[in-house]
Amino acid sequence: LAKTTQPISMDSYEGQEVNITCSHNNIATNDYITWYQQFPSQGPRFIIQGYKTKVTNEVASLFIPADRKSSTLSLPRVSLSDTAVYYCLVAANQGGKLIFGQGTELSVKP
Amino acid sequence: GAGVSQSPSNKVTEKGKDVELRCDPISGHTALYWYRQSLGQGLEFLIYFQGNSAPDKSGLPSDRFSAERTGGSVSTLTIQRTQQEDSAVYLCASSPMGRSSTDTQYFGPGTRLTVL
Repeated sequence: LAKTTQPISMDSYEGQEVNITCSHNNIATNDYITWYQQFPSQGPRFIIQGYKTKVTNEVASLFIPADRKSSTLSLPRVSLSDTAVYYCLVAANQGGKLIFGQGTELSVKP
Repeated sequence: GAGVSQSPSNKVTEKGKDVELRCDPISGHTALYWYRQSLGQGLEFLIYFQGNSAPDKSGLPSDRFSAERTGGSVSTLTIQRTQQEDSAVYLCASSPMGRSSTDTQYFGPGTRLTVL
């Protein structure tokens, strides 16, 4: 089971691009990388998922280098409403269950 | 469409009492999961239902915890003889298929349980 390591917290200002990097040195060949977002008093919400190179959707981009030992979630032009905890998960479904780490608490300031 | 719903949203109980937490998954989703999130902590897997298969109970912290899923839809998580350390937010999620590393889980708003 691949362990993930990500910063505990990050601060940013409105309008900036935020990059959150996650390390997963023991990622397996068939593992995908998935990011979830959790607002206070809400359940986590799926943001993006990828296997290699780059994935982009309406919310974020996910950059994965060739060795797949890390990944970077990129949030363009953040707003106050992007203040949340962001979780990086690898091998997202271990027989169904998600294994969450501590996540990165992003604080966006005006 | 309707998302995952949970009830009650908040539950306050006394130590030693039993509680039941309910989860209504997204219609048609095969898989259903329960997680627990303690104050300031990450999410902890509790139990997973996949179709008609035997549930994966590997995350249940003690035999005071049990869950069932009736008719492949609604699920109830029961905690017997509650203890103060059971205080947490209990989250339910469902996914279309389960058993796949690409299957997205959709979470409900959670039930905040407080044991006095």
